[in-house]
Amino acid sequence: DSGVTQTPKHLITATGQRVTLRCSPRSGDLSVYWYQQSLDQGLQFLIQYYNGEERAKGNILERFSAQQFPDLHSELNLSSLELGDSALYFCASSVDSGGSADTQYFGPGTRLTVL
Amino acid sequence: AQTVTQSQPEMSVQEAETVTLSCTYDTSESDYYLFWYKQPPSRQMILVIRQEAYKQQNATENRFSVNFQKAAKSFSLKISDSQLGDAAMYFCAYYGANSKLTFGKGITLSVRP
Repeated sequence: DSGVTQTPKHLITATGQRVTLRCSPRSGDLSVYWYQQSLDQGLQFLIQYYNGEERAKGNILERFSAQQFPDLHSELNLSSLELGDSALYFCASSVDSGGSADTQYFGPGTRLTVL
Repeated sequence: AQTVTQSQPEMSVQEAETVTLSCTYDTSESDYYLFWYKQPPSRQMILVIRQEAYKQQNATENRFSVNFQKAAKSFSLKISDSQLGDAAMYFCAYYGANSKLTFGKGITLSVRP
């Protein structure tokens, strides 16, 4: 158990809908990262938040957005869903002490299926 | 942009034997970090080992060790005394100045009893 929690574990929805994925980082970790894992794209970095502020952005679609709240939990919002958005979405967290790459610890993931 | 290449999609090893998983990367940076993550059938991403580029000494974690060749931009993972529980997908990852992890496509390792 990495200490990172994600809810829900599974999500099935229809095209055009909007969903919210939730992540709670390990205690003491200030950074939260979101990744998408799909068969065709592999594991891709989407976005990073540090202590409530966006820090780095990857291949995140405009239909997707994220935020990190004062209690450091994070939510990833996916809207206007398409079949191709079906994937495993991971959240990871790290201490982010500054000056070096802290190890990222991954949550169990949320499996999104868009029908 | 940095790229990570894992050219072998699958490998197989006999239980108790040693196996080496290959990874190469492309970067113009001198300071970076490299990781191997394991993803078993449960899909959980588990950190196996980490290497700082400024360290010449190869990282080791119990039965797992790396062969880090900075000039060749190579970062292979050696698993000694393979166990059935080592069967999983293994991902090599690069972390650089852009503050994001870039993953290779992964390699599926099977362990024969």
